[in-house]
Amino acid sequence: AQSVTQLDSQVPVFEEAPVELRCNYSSSVSVYLFWYVQYPNQGLQLLLKYLSGSTLVKGINGFEAEFNKSQTSFHLRKPSVHISDTAEYFCAAIQYGGYNKLIFGAGTRLAVHP
Amino acid sequence: DAGVIQSPRHEVTEMGQEVTLRCKPISGHNSLFWYRQTMMRGLELLIYFNNNVPIDDSGMPEDRFSAKMPNASFSTLKIQPSEPRDSAVYFCASSLREANTGELFFGEGSRLTVL
Repeated sequence: AQSVTQLDSQVPVFEEAPVELRCNYSSSVSVYLFWYVQYPNQGLQLLLKYLSGSTLVKGINGFEAEFNKSQTSFHLRKPSVHISDTAEYFCAAIQYGGYNKLIFGAGTRLAVHP
Repeated sequence: DAGVIQSPRHEVTEMGQEVTLRCKPISGHNSLFWYRQTMMRGLELLIYFNNNVPIDDSGMPEDRFSAKMPNASFSTLKIQPSEPRDSAVYFCASSLREANTGELFFGEGSRLTVL
């Protein structure tokens, strides 16, 4: 069965520090991978996606993620965070082909402190 | 272009009452999803429509929940009768293509509190 695991429920970090939010997936078939961001009292927004091609994917707001097939990981990184990056981040995966559900991880709350 | 529009943003009701949540997807999108978000269970897919037809309703908790999509620009999620455990944020999302792309556009959600 397909599943997505976000290894950290909360990540506190100081402003201008680098951050990595970890995500692992399990699937017996190939998947598309996504990171969504949810700001307080808002819906989810697509941050970046991996469909095929280069394993390093760049998204909005300076975020990037690297697809590692051998480690079944899709970690999200940013070299220097801002206060405005404080939000909940969700990793998600969906299997290729036909209709398959988009499976979300439990979320990681990123708290950026001054 | 307007995003996905949900109403009401907040709803407080008493146990046993009927609740109707509404969603207007982005114009031209042919897939619509209803999700429920709680602290305990995270994001759960309740139902998925493609071209106004329900394709997957396996996530609908029980018969108290029903969803309709009478046309391409409107969908409702109804809970009757409501119970305190239904308290959650309900999100509607739409997509331009088939569900397997995973690129969803979410509304701002409807926060439901059942007393």
